[in-house]
Amino acid sequence: DAGITQSPRHKVTETGTPVTLRCHQTENHRYMYWYRQDPGHGLRLIHYSYGVKDTDKGEVSDGYSVSRSKTEDFLLTLESATSSQTSVYFCATTSGGTLMDTQYFGPGTRLTVL
Amino acid sequence: QKEVEQNSGPLSVPEGAIASLNCTYSDRGSQSFFWYRQYSGKSPELIMFIYSNGDKEDGRFTAQLNKASQYVSLLIRDSQPSDSATYLCAVRGSGGSNYKLTFGKGTLLTVNP
Repeated sequence: DAGITQSPRHKVTETGTPVTLRCHQTENHRYMYWYRQDPGHGLRLIHYSYGVKDTDKGEVSDGYSVSRSKTEDFLLTLESATSSQTSVYFCATTSGGTLMDTQYFGPGTRLTVL
Repeated sequence: QKEVEQNSGPLSVPEGAIASLNCTYSDRGSQSFFWYRQYSGKSPELIMFIYSNGDKEDGRFTAQLNKASQYVSLLIRDSQPSDSATYLCAVRGSGGSNYKLTFGKGTLLTVNP
């Protein structure tokens, strides 16, 4: 395991409220990722970070923002949650972009938007 | 949009049989490929990676890669009920995307005792 924790592990919220999910890693990995996983869609990349304050969009970034002020923490914010954002969210990290670098996943956060 | 396709499943095999999981990818420049296992309600965990054409064996698992056919597979020999899970194929992007993985939708494997 890459020492990745996510908080909260479960959250129920209402449409229109802001939500922030936290990913914390202890491996000093440079790259961090946020994915969502939905039945029939698999894992889809939301945003990723390649260093402190360096972030970029993935394939399903609309409605999400991220921040990384420290190497160990990567925050995902839903500005105004919608029911379509009900999903399981996984954080992942990797040390670098070499051929054999592997992404390690956190335990996930199950988010329900009512 | 780079795509990764897996046989849709579900796949059901008897205990002790060989399970064969397949994956094709569209990015011809991709160089490394990963198989993850995901138990229900858990996060994906890496089983194997492969980046050279041919076979790579690790215990009961064998990954096979054919870059010319853009095809990667995972064989599980002597399948056990504990192998029942969803298997995800992931492909590392090429060029400026080599720090990103694209995942297939997964194949659900059930091993029956």
